[in-house]
Amino acid sequence: AIQMTQSPPSLSASVGDRVTITCRASQDIRNDLGWYQQKPGEAPKLLVFAAADLHSGVPSRFRGSGSGTDFTLTISSLQPEDSATYFCLQDSIYPLTFGGGTRVEI
Amino acid sequence: LLQESGPGLVKPSETLSLTCAVSDDSLKKTVYHWGWIRQPPGRGLEWIGNLHLGGNSNYNPSLKSRVTISVDTSKNQVSLNLTSVTAADTAVYYCARRNYLETSGLFDYWGPGTLATVSS
Repeated sequence: AIQMTQSPPSLSASVGDRVTITCRASQDIRNDLGWYQQKPGEAPKLLVFAAADLHSGVPSRFRGSGSGTDFTLTISSLQPEDSATYFCLQDSIYPLTFGGGTRVEI
Repeated sequence: LLQESGPGLVKPSETLSLTCAVSDDSLKKTVYHWGWIRQPPGRGLEWIGNLHLGGNSNYNPSLKSRVTISVDTSKNQVSLNLTSVTAADTAVYYCARRNYLETSGLFDYWGPGTLATVSS
């Protein structure tokens, strides 16, 4: 199975900061990667698909980039409502696998 | 859009049966596949499997021998059966929709999840 290594496991930042989260795949997954946001007790929400395409309704401060094995989610200006756990998901090769998650604290 | 339901508590060695109610007509559309994901308490997410209306299914090899996912279009629901459960199967179980039309096959909508606890 493809291993998705996500970093950092957690971070603390201030409102307005630029935040970067990375996922590294153990083998080439082209651009078959998505990023999700999950708040406690809620369903995960899709932010980015195909590594860099913003899902409908997602604020433009979220940006995904990368291809192959290295991927990044950037929040350009952190907002209070961005406090959540973020995780990546590869859907290139079965079994689908997730990154371990990054807890973002404001 | 999606709402999971289940028994909440299951005894070891028994079968965990969960259902996911789909509130719109997307279950009948072939651009969507239907999947289950789980998250043990305090741990990461694990993909269980997914199913296409045409019958094509894929399961996580770690669970394949114990898992069945099915779709009932007459009831507008997706089901998960997991046999011979142990405490390691205690988790929040999510139902989710894979969208091949708009999001390159990624899960675009998830249910809120249902906690299933395995205990005697």
